[in-house]
Amino acid sequence: EVQLVQSGAEVKKPGESLKISCQDSGHSFANSWIGWVRHIPGRGLEWMGMIYPSDSDTRYSPSFQGHVTMSVDKSINTAYLQWNTLRASDTAIYYCTRQFDYWGQGTLVTVSS
Amino acid sequence: DVVMTQSPLTLPVTLGQPASISCRSSQSLVDSYGNTYLNWFQQRPGQSPRRLIYKVSNRDSGVPDRFSGSGAGTDFTLKISRVEAEDVGVYYCMQGTHWPAWTFGQGTKVEIK
Repeated sequence: EVQLVQSGAEVKKPGESLKISCQDSGHSFANSWIGWVRHIPGRGLEWMGMIYPSDSDTRYSPSFQGHVTMSVDKSINTAYLQWNTLRASDTAIYYCTRQFDYWGQGTLVTVSS
Repeated sequence: DVVMTQSPLTLPVTLGQPASISCRSSQSLVDSYGNTYLNWFQQRPGQSPRRLIYKVSNRDSGVPDRFSGSGAGTDFTLKISRVEAEDVGVYYCMQGTHWPAWTFGQGTKVEIK
């Protein structure tokens, strides 16, 4: 059974950098889009963008373009979401999803001084 | 961006009774090939989202047949024929037609009366 396993909760300060991960246990990682969704409780879900591991083709939602970076390491079936400069407003739960069929358990990111 | 507007935002329902959620988009969701990319997701308390319906009316594998989707153009509906206790949660519509700014509705919280 396909599983997406995300890295653990993080607590960071504004201005710090962060990279969270999503490891796919399935056999079709390279040929399936991996997307990222932000969930701020009480504010709903937001589509951030997605990456195609085979060629690292990446499509960002305009709302997140320039603030986050998506990447992959095909050798370990893992996708990453990275921030160079965190803001308090980045506090949220981040989910990875493989073409909406499979979802990770979510990574809680807390940014606070 | 295409704005997705759901109603109601909270839906108290009686077990065994039907429920209906409306989703309206600010632009038509029909693409140049005649496809309509409107999805419905369920997020139970403390869980990751789960897609129920794709392309307006297609149920995902394992989704009970009490869930159905309908609509066209800018108006869409998710119906639950007989609500069960496990259906409690937040339901989101999401448009995947207008790339790359896919957008979710605000969410509708289904609760038991």
